[in-house]
Parts: sequence; C-alpha cells; structure tokens
Amino acid sequence: DADVTQTPRNRITKTGKRIMLECSQTKGHDRMYWYRQDPGLGLRLIYYSFDVKDINKGEISDGYSVSRQAQAKFSLSLESAIPNQTALYFCATSDPGTADTQYFGPGTRLTVL
Amino acid sequence: AQSVTQLGSHVSVSEGALVLLRCNYSSSVPPYLFWYVQYPNQGLQLLLKYTSAATLVKGINGFEAEFKKSETSFHLTKPSAHMSDAAEYFCAVSVPGGFKTIFGAGTRLFVKA
Repeated sequence: DADVTQTPRNRITKTGKRIMLECSQTKGHDRMYWYRQDPGLGLRLIYYSFDVKDINKGEISDGYSVSRQAQAKFSLSLESAIPNQTALYFCATSDPGTADTQYFGPGTRLTVL
Repeated sequence: AQSVTQLGSHVSVSEGALVLLRCNYSSSVPPYLFWYVQYPNQGLQLLLKYTSAATLVKGINGFEAEFKKSETSFHLTKPSAHMSDAAEYFCAVSVPGGFKTIFGAGTRLFVKA
C-alpha cells in the first residue's frame, strides 16, 4: 500500500464550488505539505503543518485553506474555486531526521470550469 | 533565502548517450540539495540528495550528482540514457533547521531510440 494517498485523483468542478482534497499518510511523519504544480513553474508551496496544532501559509495560500485532522490527515479546501486554480495538487510528508526528504502522494488533477 | 535554477526546460538525448541536467542554487547557508524524478501520472520521488557528506552523490537508476560549492551547482548525470529515464526531473534546495523545500521549475528529459 502507498505511504501517502490522495483522494480524489481527478476532479472536475465549476467556478464557485467548494472543493476538498484529502491526504492521508502511514509514514508516521509529523510534517505535511500541500503543493501546487503548474507547467513551467515547478512546485509551489500552498500550506504546511509541522504538527496537528501548527499550520502555516506557504507562498501561494490565497484562495485555499487547510485542516490537519490528525497526524496522518491533512486536507486542502478551495472555498470558491476559480479557473486559475486548475492544476495538479500534491500532498507530501517529511521527516526532519532525513534532511526533510519529501515523500509525495500520487497527486490530484483538478479542473475548474 | 534559497533559490534554484534549472537550465533547460526540455532536454533530449539518444538512448545510450550521456544525460546531463543542470541545476544551480543560491543559499546563504550550507544547503541540502535534492533531485526528484516524476514519471507520468505519478508523484515525485527522491532520486538522490546531498547533505554535506561526500560531494559526489550516487542515486537510484545509475544517476549521480556532484555538489560544487565554488560553482553553486548540483548537476545530475547518467553515463548512458535508457528509454525508461524519460521523465521530469526537479532540483530542490532546503537548509538545516529550515521550514521548507524550494523546487526548481523542472526539466523534462526525452530519450530517443
């Protein structure tokens, strides 16, 4: 079984809809991240969390919110989706004991019409 | 602050030829450096990392990278390309005790038969 899972894998929605992307991990890591991937821009950090009570904004947090329900679960929400949020979204975990090597989920491809 | 620049958004090589993917970094303190690979429809996975031990780092699938402080570079090489190496490659930087990893824009590697 995969160590980091994301649901859904693909989602098409309409402008203005609320969307939640979910991430679960079995690696036992405290640190979790949400990234957005766009062609030619690499990965950009949306939010990160170093434990259940610690949530921090990344470089592109506007229009997004997160919830860390447990050590193993970290959800990303788009309160009112817009077309320029169409992208590939990745959840990741890390362990500071391994130089914060990132372990990624398979990604969620989100299309906002 | 840290930054990463990957030279060339696309690189094309023939099967059996040398693979060279270029990465330059900027960091005010000694960095950790990473190469990740992304195969189609998958998340990123670690290829190799530098954490201040040996400057020549060997990774999976025959890849290696050399940390050159004087050139602020961490180029990725493989002596002989294989069709299965076709993927997107990301260079990334973080620092000890830091809070996030910065990713380059990515280089897509094409391997011609």
